[in-house]
Amino acid sequence: GDSVTQMEGPVTLSEEAFLTINCTYTATGYPSLFWYVQYPGEGLQLLLKATKADDKGSNKGFEATYRKETTSFHLEKGSVQVSDSAVYFCALSDPSSGTYKYIFGTGTRLKVLA
Amino acid sequence: GAGVSQSPRYKVAKRGQDVALRCDPISGHVSLFWYQQALGQGPEFLTYFQNEAQLDKSGLPSDRFFAERPEGSVSTLKIQRTQQEDSAVYLCASSSQARVSNQPQHFGDGTRLSIL
Repeated sequence: GDSVTQMEGPVTLSEEAFLTINCTYTATGYPSLFWYVQYPGEGLQLLLKATKADDKGSNKGFEATYRKETTSFHLEKGSVQVSDSAVYFCALSDPSSGTYKYIFGTGTRLKVLA
Repeated sequence: GAGVSQSPRYKVAKRGQDVALRCDPISGHVSLFWYQQALGQGPEFLTYFQNEAQLDKSGLPSDRFFAERPEGSVSTLKIQRTQQEDSAVYLCASSSQARVSNQPQHFGDGTRLSIL
């Protein structure tokens, strides 16, 4: 079945450091890929998405490129801020599922220190 | 409001009690999903509605779990005879179209269920 694997956290960085959170996937069909962010006590917020190979999603300084050849969708940011501290989830939506439900990774907690 | 609304935000119940969790999706959204998120884990799919039709309930963990969306808008997730392993955050999400993979899902803040 479909699956998403994320790097384990927590990831602890100093402010203005470079961030990479790795995400790889397996899918039966040709999925769309998403990154969501979850702040404490809140629901999931869409951060960015990509729907086909080589697409780059970007938002709020975060970027991720859909790499079909390596089945990856790594999240990057050039300079993190304390306010970026949250849990980040990689997810896929596979047309072959019929319902386009999300398959999530386990999440990666990011802590940014001032 | 413009977002997905879930109630209650927190629910504490004794083992064996029945609970009902409500989701009010974004107005006009066709698709509605329920997910269960255990502590420290990613959300896991429970069930899917397209309008009032429940098209996929493959993720419901047992026959104690029941969901409905009778008029194609508000949905209720009911758990009968709750067990401690039902303790989790229950997330509801909606999207504007049906069966389109590039449409993002919009999530509510969830209901944190604790079974004593």
